[in-house]
Amino acid sequence: GAVVSQHPSRVICKSGTSVKIECRSLDFQATTMFWYRQFPKQSLMLMATSNEGSKATYEQGVEKDKFLINHASLTLSTLTVTSAHPEDSSFYICSARDRRGHSTGELFFGEGSRLTVL
Amino acid sequence: EDQVTQSPEALRLQEGESSSLNCSYTVSGLRGLFWYRQDPGKGPEFLFTLYSAGEEKEKERLKATLTKKESFLHITAPKPEDSATYLCAGMDSNYQLIWGAGTKLIIKP
Repeated sequence: GAVVSQHPSRVICKSGTSVKIECRSLDFQATTMFWYRQFPKQSLMLMATSNEGSKATYEQGVEKDKFLINHASLTLSTLTVTSAHPEDSSFYICSARDRRGHSTGELFFGEGSRLTVL
Repeated sequence: EDQVTQSPEALRLQEGESSSLNCSYTVSGLRGLFWYRQDPGKGPEFLFTLYSAGEEKEKERLKATLTKKESFLHITAPKPEDSATYLCAGMDSNYQLIWGAGTKLIIKP
């Protein structure tokens, strides 16, 4: 299957700093990438949908100024958590949809990034 | 409101003990029902997509089935390496995925 690489896998930062997480599709072009947050023992919570070359669409309740998403190319999307606070600590996962698979909807997921804010 | 509910929340089985995981859905204009496997600290890994009632798909010890109201993931003679959280998701008419909370499967040797 297609590969999505997410980096870093773990990051620890101080409160008030910003953290950038990268999501790359390695062997396919992704017109759409999705960013999720997952709390322990809970399912994936969609934060935003990122389309190449346009502004991200955020889900209700997600602060777009806090979670900056950039989808500059067909293979790269980034999530920046700005002025991070301990409550932002979570597991963040990206997924990408192959531009050829829009109708099938199959998503390929990154390995996830564990953010811990001290 | 669209909803996907998985049961049970957790399932403990002995190695070789077959069972089924349930995914009940209410999704308008369902375009597909997806099953993923997620290991701790990892992103979900795609298993199956089912598109219409009556469809079945198999992969090794797993078989997924779909009716108009629910999907089952049958696991036959499971091994400890099958231990994981299994997630299902329904895709609505806008191609958005509605996720269930998952079933944590533990296979004891």
